[in-house]
Amino acid sequence: AQSVTQLGSHVSVSEGALVLLRCNYSSSVPPYLFWYVQYPNQGLQLLLKYTTGATLVKGINGFEAEFKKSETSFHLTKPSAHMSDAAEYFCAVRDQAGTALIFGKGTTLSVSS
Amino acid sequence: GAGVSQSPSNKVTEKGKDVELRCDPISGHTALYWYRQSLGQGLEFLIYFQGNSAPDKSGLPSDRFSAERTGGSVSTLTIQRTQQEDSAVYLCASSGRDRGYSPLHFGNGTRLTVT
Repeated sequence: AQSVTQLGSHVSVSEGALVLLRCNYSSSVPPYLFWYVQYPNQGLQLLLKYTTGATLVKGINGFEAEFKKSETSFHLTKPSAHMSDAAEYFCAVRDQAGTALIFGKGTTLSVSS
Repeated sequence: GAGVSQSPSNKVTEKGKDVELRCDPISGHTALYWYRQSLGQGLEFLIYFQGNSAPDKSGLPSDRFSAERTGGSVSTLTIQRTQQEDSAVYLCASSGRDRGYSPLHFGNGTRLTVT
């Protein structure tokens, strides 16, 4: 069965600094991978997803993630943090159509000025 | 059109009572999920409905939890004999034709407090 591990339940960065949120997955087949974001007092929304093809995927608000099969990782990055990026970020994995989407425990990103 | 709608938005109940949480997915969406979100636990998968297939109930934490989906649309999550550890936000999500990479559309959740 697939699973997701997010390293670091809380990450703090300064405004303008690099954002790196780590995600490792376990799957018996090439997976579909997702990052979702939950802003304070809002619902979850999709940031980006990896299906097949190009391993570097770009999402909304300047975020991107790279699928590395050899490392079973799908880390989320953004070159320059903004105060509005403060939120909780969830990595998720799915083996194939017809199976459940499994989420990690989330990483809370704090951005200081 | 309208997004995923959940009701009630907040529910306070006494320990031992039964509760029903409702989810109206986006019209035409065939896949429906229930998750539980509590502090430090992320999104815990509960149950997944896909079309007319048998639901994946592998995430239900105990036999006090059950869910049904009527007519391939509205879903109800029922928790019997509620316990304090059931306090959490219960999220419903739906997605369109299930290609594996179809994004989920989430409702705003029902915050359940068991006193």
